[in-house]
Amino acid sequence: EIVLTQSPGTLSLSLGERATLSCRASQSVSSSFLAWYQQKPGQAPRLLIYGASSRATGIPDRFSGSGSGTDFTLTISRLEPEDFAVYYCQQYGSSPWTFGQGTKVEIK
Amino acid sequence: QVHLVQSGADVKKPGASVKVSCKASGYTFTNYALHWVRQAPGQRLEWMGWISVGNDNTKYSQKFQGRVTITRDTSASTAYMELSSLRSEDTAVYYCARVGLGEPMDYWGQGTLVTVSS
Repeated sequence: EIVLTQSPGTLSLSLGERATLSCRASQSVSSSFLAWYQQKPGQAPRLLIYGASSRATGIPDRFSGSGSGTDFTLTISRLEPEDFAVYYCQQYGSSPWTFGQGTKVEIK
Repeated sequence: QVHLVQSGADVKKPGASVKVSCKASGYTFTNYALHWVRQAPGQRLEWMGWISVGNDNTKYSQKFQGRVTITRDTSASTAYMELSSLRSEDTAVYYCARVGLGEPMDYWGQGTLVTVSS
């Protein structure tokens, strides 16, 4: 099973700042089958990034993903009020599919 | 547009079973898989298994093997997840999510809270 470890656990930032979230895998993620999701309280997760760097439909270009192998990054270039949420990485290249423990982006 | 609508919240006693439904609309039901994911309070998302709606193949996480059954009714465009031998640790929100070939979970149901309590 691929274990995904996200850091930091919490990121305290101000509006307009840049957020950099990390996701490290215990073994290589095949074909960069790595996705990022955003989850707000009481809501289902929302797909942001797939294939490590492709934005899902309707996702603003301030969200970008990068990385390969075992190290991946989600960057939010300028934080908007609606971006404060929990972010999860997930690998879907090998079974069982696994998720990271999440990074909470909160308002400073 | 694509919608996945799940059944409502449920309360079960330890040892019982629960069956959660996920009704799909807005796309060709048999062209996608449906996965089930749960989230216990304050915990990370946890993948449970999936069904290939077109050919009825299933695959389950080893953690839930023997306790979980995922089925589908193509005439109703609905998938089901049944979890048996419930214990308090199964208290969680259960989600269904659509998956295309080689793709991640692009559409999710609204979630179903299952509470296991005596």
